[in-house]
Amino acid sequence: SQQGEEDPQALSIQEGENATMNCSYKTSINNLQWYRQNSGRGLVHLILIRSNEREKHSGRLRVTLDTSKKSSSLLITASRAADTASYFCATVPVNSGYSTLTFGKGTMLLVSP
Amino acid sequence: DTAVSQTPKYLVTQMGNDKSIKCEQNLGHDTMYWYKQDSKKFLKIMFSYNNKELIINETVPNRFSPKSPDKAHLNLHINSLELGDSAVYFCASSQDLRFRGVNTEAFFGQGTRLTVV
Repeated sequence: SQQGEEDPQALSIQEGENATMNCSYKTSINNLQWYRQNSGRGLVHLILIRSNEREKHSGRLRVTLDTSKKSSSLLITASRAADTASYFCATVPVNSGYSTLTFGKGTMLLVSP
Repeated sequence: DTAVSQTPKYLVTQMGNDKSIKCEQNLGHDTMYWYKQDSKKFLKIMFSYNNKELIINETVPNRFSPKSPDKAHLNLHINSLELGDSAVYFCASSQDLRFRGVNTEAFFGQGTRLTVV
């Protein structure tokens, strides 16, 4: 079953602006990850935040996690045209059996020069 | 060296045919996956293998049969292809999420775009 839901489905901004994407999930998690997918390519891991962390930074990326609301946000600051891609959140749920990465539907980001 | 490689990149075939997609990872990971991405970009887990053993089999028609000859390879064979099978199929690998879930990322292949005509 689908775990994550990204919001918005599509986002169009100008270069230099910030882009914020949100993700909501349903069950308790070990961690939450964000991935980027360029058109016609595979997914590339961007950042991982553990369930006991609230905020994490990596370069121009800032991720927050609110486990009480079961939500996360990805902020890309000073966006560039090269940031144009689809962004997915993925969760590793806590359960009694085997785990897998469960992906949301993604946010398509378009950064115009 | 490519971490996760899958072949072919493109596959166009007629309904009713049988086809295979191959995947190999050189990362020493324990776990490999097949995901299907539909036209709306939704990624759905199909199978997960850990050390050659099937551990997750989501609701997938039994025309799809994964095979893992060793933990570095996970192939996907599809029998009697249907139009609805058209999608992009991604292979991925990671460390065993049961034990290393706190710090585990997945590595993806470039995808195989399957078109059934």
